[in-house]
Amino acid sequence: DTGVSQDPRHKITKRGQNVTFRCDPISEHNRLYWYRQTLGQGPEFLTYFQNEAQLEKSRLLSDRFSAERPKGSFSTLEIQRTEQGDSAMYLCASSRTLRPTRGQETQYFGPGTRLLVL
Amino acid sequence: KQEVTQIPAALSVPEGENLVLNCSFTDSAIYNLQWFRQDPGKGLTSLLLIQSSQREQTSGRLNASLDKSSGRSTLYIAASQPGDSATYLCADQSMDSNYQLIWGAGTKLIIKP
Repeated sequence: DTGVSQDPRHKITKRGQNVTFRCDPISEHNRLYWYRQTLGQGPEFLTYFQNEAQLEKSRLLSDRFSAERPKGSFSTLEIQRTEQGDSAMYLCASSRTLRPTRGQETQYFGPGTRLLVL
Repeated sequence: KQEVTQIPAALSVPEGENLVLNCSFTDSAIYNLQWFRQDPGKGLTSLLLIQSSQREQTSGRLNASLDKSSGRSTLYIAASQPGDSATYLCADQSMDSNYQLIWGAGTKLIIKP
């Protein structure tokens, strides 16, 4: 397995357009996370899945954002009606844990998708 | 609100020097603290994870320590190399943060040949 992959790596779009990003986690990892990172800052948590269930969403995740993980494998993050403030690096991470709640597991990150909204 | 702070924001040292990166956190009831490396325009690579019951972890030239009572962690890099140049981020997890990773803003490290 080559790790977490994300597609596309870069996306330039005009304000108001919709964009969709894909994340393929490490196989057999049951947890998948989405983060957003702006320049000079640490990542901000957006949402996470355990298998196909979306268990938590940050208040940062406005109604324009939606994430899915339909079969408990890959995930998509869609941003509708993009705004210039959405420009950031979108990071996906996965982990494998047998615990019912998060904690004490290492998250493996993908290379990210850099979004620029003009 | 839990916070993680990393100082300095940037650090430049000559090759071969030993160096220490600092991370402070406000939540004393953490489950773990992790150190990550991020190369420009890339994702994050986990370097070391210290459980709350541990005092330190080592991997190669890297050693991370954890002092929950003072709310501090350090990442020690021995015999620095130009390839160590990257941004180093720390993040903690705790029950109070609902196990979310709370991140510092990172220290940008430049090792001069």
